[in-house]
Amino acid sequence: SAVISQKPSRDICQRGTSLTIQCQVDSQVTMMFWYRQQPGQSLTLIATANQGSEATYESGFVIDKFPISRPNLTFSTLTVSNMSPEDSSIYLCSVRTGVGEKLFFGSGTQLSVL
Amino acid sequence: QKEVEQNSGPLSVPEGAIASLNCTYSDRGSQSFFWYRQYSGKSPELIMSIYSNGDKEDGRFTAQLNKASQYVSLLIRDSQPSDSATYLCAVNRATDSWGKFQFGAGTQVVVTP
Repeated sequence: SAVISQKPSRDICQRGTSLTIQCQVDSQVTMMFWYRQQPGQSLTLIATANQGSEATYESGFVIDKFPISRPNLTFSTLTVSNMSPEDSSIYLCSVRTGVGEKLFFGSGTQLSVL
Repeated sequence: QKEVEQNSGPLSVPEGAIASLNCTYSDRGSQSFFWYRQYSGKSPELIMSIYSNGDKEDGRFTAQLNKASQYVSLLIRDSQPSDSATYLCAVNRATDSWGKFQFGAGTQVVVTP
């Protein structure tokens, strides 16, 4: 498995502001994934972050709203921009690694937008 | 039709009994299947993976896969109160690029003493 550190663990933000979430992995990985889990819902993939190239966004998610950086093979950031209450969710960083390329998650960032 | 479907529950299970969770998926070409446990307020934790038809056992957990019927199940034997959580089924679709998983909505399990 991988040790995935994510911060902040939670934050309360004002409408219209932006929050950057950091994800650090204890080993080099090719791709990192950002998921969102809205209250009472399952996980939805936001984007896939490759080192050295632009992130690939899923339908319904755009770079202007969720810019992602991937400066090296162990680190990524997700920014939630111009936040609204609808952005209140848990945001999860994840990587595939190990035998069978299983998916492992960071501890998550619980975001509340007022 | 959702790509990955699970009964939302809650599934109430007496302590010591077997909890049976089911998951169906729509993409017949899916190749990798996973069960995650998620405690309230925590991130998902991988508990089982299965890639071929049949049963796979790991401690009190057994995953069962039937690709012809497009379902995967999870059995929890000798259920304990600590097993009370939401269980997420995840599927790696053959049509997606490497690493993209589809998750079910999860089944909430409540183990009663």
